[in-house]
Amino acid sequence: EAGVAQSPRYKIIEKRQSVAFWCNPISGHATLYWYQQILGQGPKLLIQFQNNGVVDDSQLPKDRFSAERLKGVDSTLKIQPAKLEDSAVYLCASSLRGGVGAFFGQGTRLTVV
Amino acid sequence: AQSVTQLDSQVPVFEEAPVELRCNYSSSVSVYLFWYVQYPNQGLQLLLKYLSGSTLVKGINGFEAEFNKSQTSFHLRKPSVHISDTAEYFCAVSEGQAGTALIFGKGTTLSVSS
Repeated sequence: EAGVAQSPRYKIIEKRQSVAFWCNPISGHATLYWYQQILGQGPKLLIQFQNNGVVDDSQLPKDRFSAERLKGVDSTLKIQPAKLEDSAVYLCASSLRGGVGAFFGQGTRLTVV
Repeated sequence: AQSVTQLDSQVPVFEEAPVELRCNYSSSVSVYLFWYVQYPNQGLQLLLKYLSGSTLVKGINGFEAEFNKSQTSFHLRKPSVHISDTAEYFCAVSEGQAGTALIFGKGTTLSVSS
């Protein structure tokens, strides 16, 4: 069974530029999450999708972050414009349904300079 | 609101010694509990989970954890650690049947030396 796929693995951008991350969840998983993990901290939820609908985006900085999950499968997370404090690892995860634990991708390490 | 507290930020141990990583949670509703491990430059891997039933949960790599509802704890244990267990360990909680996302603690760095 293929795991959660994320790309790119690494990205370096200048502040005020835009960036997008892509995630392909495990086949059949209805729930998809995006987490932000700042160095030395635990992952923090940005957004949770159930199929192609948003369940929780209360911690997503909506002035600069956006996410979509078209057709209830792949998802993209975008940051525009990026700030220095957005430097982090962005983790995508999926599960059959919410709450039961999730499978994580390897993450995208973003460095904003 | 839920929260997770991992009581130790770093735990150094010698190889073949036992280890316990402590986790406490707060929630006003029934919860599911999880432990994940993260190796350098990798994503998170599920070690074990408690959804219901027996309060002693066994996971991969010889780890186990015990759910204690009265003390709101879910401590992770291993009777004999290996060098390869060196990693970051995260405790997480979700609101069980409600299907909410996992809330993570800040993590505990386990360092195993010979």
